[in-house]
Amino acid sequence: AQTVTQSQPEMSVQEAETVTLSCTYDTSESDYYLFWYKQPPSRQMILVIRQEAYKQQNATENRFSVNFQKAAKSFSLKISDSQLGDAAMYFCAYMAAQKLVFGQGTRLTINP
Amino acid sequence: GAGVSQTPSNKVTEKGKYVELRCDPISGHTALYWYRQSLGQGPEFLIYFQGTGAADDSGLPNDRFFAVRPEGSVSTLKIQRTERGDSAVYLCASSLTGTGELETQYFGPGTRLLVL
Repeated sequence: AQTVTQSQPEMSVQEAETVTLSCTYDTSESDYYLFWYKQPPSRQMILVIRQEAYKQQNATENRFSVNFQKAAKSFSLKISDSQLGDAAMYFCAYMAAQKLVFGQGTRLTINP
Repeated sequence: GAGVSQTPSNKVTEKGKYVELRCDPISGHTALYWYRQSLGQGPEFLIYFQGTGAADDSGLPNDRFFAVRPEGSVSTLKIQRTERGDSAVYLCASSLTGTGELETQYFGPGTRLLVL
């Protein structure tokens, strides 16, 4: 069974600084897809970034980028120039057979 | 619609009662998913529809849970004989075809269910 582990229940960062959220996963598949979702207090899950496992190049979306280490089964999210609006729960997720398997989440606080 | 909508936003019920939670997906999306998010946890998969049929219901915890999507659009998640352990946020998502691994699932705001 696929599992996703986020070892940091909470993280905080100063506004405009950079923060990295950790995620590891376990799978026996060779081709798979990984995602980071953001969940603000409104509860709506919002896709932040996604990565195909067969691509060696790390995905980037504006201030968000990932460090994908396939051999280590690690998929961390880096947020540059943190903004107050980035404050939320962040979930790492693995896609298997159309089902998303989520980690337990990291609560990110942005300090002004 | 512009996004996935879910009703009600909040539902309080008593142990043993029956509840229905509704999801209205993005117009034209053929795939629809239900997840359950317990307090302090990540969402867990319940069931996935491709059109009108349930393509995968392996996440439904027991036979008290049932979901339908009779016309391939709106879906209803039904919970019979509710238990306090059913208290959670129930999230619905939809995607365009449900056949591409990289296809984005768009989530609704969820229904928070509280069983007293």
